[in-house]
Amino acid sequence: AQSVSQHNHHVILSEAASLELGCNYSYGGTVNLFWYVQYPGQHLQLLLKYFSGDPLVKGIKGFEAEFIKSKFSFNLRKPSVQWSDTAEYFCAVNSINTDKLIFGTGTRLQVFP
Amino acid sequence: DTGVSQDPRHKITKRGQNVTFRCDPISEHNRLYWYRQTLGQGPEFLTYFQNEAQLEKSRLLSDRFSAERPKGSFSTLEIQRTEQGDSAMYLCASSQPGGTGAEKLFFGSGTQLSVL
Repeated sequence: AQSVSQHNHHVILSEAASLELGCNYSYGGTVNLFWYVQYPGQHLQLLLKYFSGDPLVKGIKGFEAEFIKSKFSFNLRKPSVQWSDTAEYFCAVNSINTDKLIFGTGTRLQVFP
Repeated sequence: DTGVSQDPRHKITKRGQNVTFRCDPISEHNRLYWYRQTLGQGPEFLTYFQNEAQLEKSRLLSDRFSAERPKGSFSTLEIQRTEQGDSAMYLCASSQPGGTGAEKLFFGSGTQLSVL
């Protein structure tokens, strides 16, 4: 069965620090990969996605993620975080044969000014 | 607001009662999903529809749970004989037709269920 692991449950950073959130998935076939974000008091929204092609994908607000197939990983990065990036971040995966999206447990990011 | 709307926002019920939630997706979206989220966990897939057809249902979903989308527009999720373990945020999402439906999900704000 598919599964997604996010090992960082809670990350605390100061503004301008660099960010990397880990995501590993378990599935032997071809997958699509996503990062969703939930800002305080708001609904989940898509941050970025990978379907095929360049394994380095760029999303909104300066975020990027790199798909490393050999490591079954899709880590999220941002070179310099802002206070407004405080949110919960969810990695998600679905196989290309289904529309069912499987989410990780999430990483809560707190950025202090 | 033309996003996904869910009603009610909050529901408090006693154990053993039945509850029903409603989701109105974005109008041109033909796929509709239900997820459940508990504290400290990510959204857990429950079921999804393409138009009025229920295409997949999680094996974790007991027979007490049923979802419908009779006209391919809004959907309802009913939980019968609620248990305290059903307490969670119930999320609805929709997506556009074409390609992989999970390409981009638009989520609602959810219905928070508390079973006493």
